[in-house]
Amino acid sequence: DAGITQSPRHKVTETGTPVTLRCHQTENHRYMYWYRQDPGHGLRLIHYSYGVKDTDKGEVSDGYSVSRSKTEDFLLTLESATSSQTSVYFCAISDYRDNTGELFFGEGSRLTVL
Amino acid sequence: RKEVEQDPGPFNVPEGATVAFNCTYSNSASQSFFWYRQDCRKEPKLLMSVYSSGNEDGRFTAQLNRASQYISLLIRDSKLSDSATYLCVVKGDYKLSFGAGTTVTVRA
Repeated sequence: DAGITQSPRHKVTETGTPVTLRCHQTENHRYMYWYRQDPGHGLRLIHYSYGVKDTDKGEVSDGYSVSRSKTEDFLLTLESATSSQTSVYFCAISDYRDNTGELFFGEGSRLTVL
Repeated sequence: RKEVEQDPGPFNVPEGATVAFNCTYSNSASQSFFWYRQDCRKEPKLLMSVYSSGNEDGRFTAQLNRASQYISLLIRDSKLSDSATYLCVVKGDYKLSFGAGTTVTVRA
């Protein structure tokens, strides 16, 4: 299995509080992604990174920011969490930007915003 | 309209049965197609790519119909371990679009 770890794996927080999810990889892959998964929806891309300090928005980026200061770490921040951000968040990595379609996913972070 | 649509199921089948399901996509310029498997409360993992001529991987057969814009997955001789949600993934315009998944439950 690809070396991807997400933390925390579970978090309950209150509306309006900041939350940071961390994704750490040991594969030295260039591309990293943050997705959210909700019932009835496919995985939706929040933000992605194509290198250190190089990031771009996905289809559901409002309310989220990211940072990548090292190849191995990709942080997702909810500046002020809302109940609509209750979801399961998956980090993924790949060698090539969508070329093969093979993404390696972390185990997910389950976030509940009360 | 969603870019990728799947019948959510569930498809409940006995061991040894054959089960098949489709996925439709809206972007006719889509370039590549994949099936991912996701076990309950786990991360998705690539099951197989889907090639224009169709392809098999053991008990799994994937087909692509560009004219009607759908892909299919067929599972033969179903095993209990095939119980999972199968995600259809379509690549187009440098973006991957995921379907919401089709749930398959194989019963003993």
